[in-house]
Amino acid sequence: DAKTTQPPSMDCAEGRAANLPCNHSTISGNEYVYWYRQIHSQGPQYIIHGLKNNETNEMASLIITEDRKSSTLILPHATLRDTAVYYCIVRDPGGTSYGKLTFGQGTILTVHP
Amino acid sequence: NAGVTQTPKFQVLKTGQSMTLQCAQDMNHNSMYWYRQDPGMGLRLIYYSASEGTTDKGEVPNGYNVSRLNKREFSLRLESAAPSQTSVYFCASTSGGGGRDTQYFGPGTRLTVL
Repeated sequence: DAKTTQPPSMDCAEGRAANLPCNHSTISGNEYVYWYRQIHSQGPQYIIHGLKNNETNEMASLIITEDRKSSTLILPHATLRDTAVYYCIVRDPGGTSYGKLTFGQGTILTVHP
Repeated sequence: NAGVTQTPKFQVLKTGQSMTLQCAQDMNHNSMYWYRQDPGMGLRLIYYSASEGTTDKGEVPNGYNVSRLNKREFSLRLESAAPSQTSVYFCASTSGGGGRDTQYFGPGTRLTVL
């Protein structure tokens, strides 16, 4: 699975959009970009994933650059409950990894009142 | 639909004691996983089971054994606990298949080895 690079921490004001970047310059053609988050002391929670097109669901939007070497997770209206560690993970779901997720350090997002 | 459940939620062991962490999912998922998370660190994969009847080592398998009892249940055993195994343990499951597989995590077991 390709490696990812994320900033260690970010701040955001409540009600504003939170934009979390992720670099994955060695991503291969079959690898998807997944985002999970972990709220303090809880199990990680799936947010969104994509291959090359931008994706949106009820939680967030995922913007993937045309060359697929980086992506941005967007929380459109951040709330205090969005304070968490956000993990960007790249993997090939059809490969031999059998769904294994490799978690890096992630980005600590702190949403301020 | 409870999702992924883990027992116990908390456990304190003395060095050398053994215990089994239990995990069950009710989503009819094929694959199940055990991760550990040390303070301030990301999750690391201990063992996984791609399907019922199969298990494979992950990133940090030493000191652990697993059993995929049936499709629903995947247990993690510490035969002789060591202080280095103090951690939070998470179980996860996924239906697998294509790019649409997502992992669902349990609430975790917080283990302290004295």
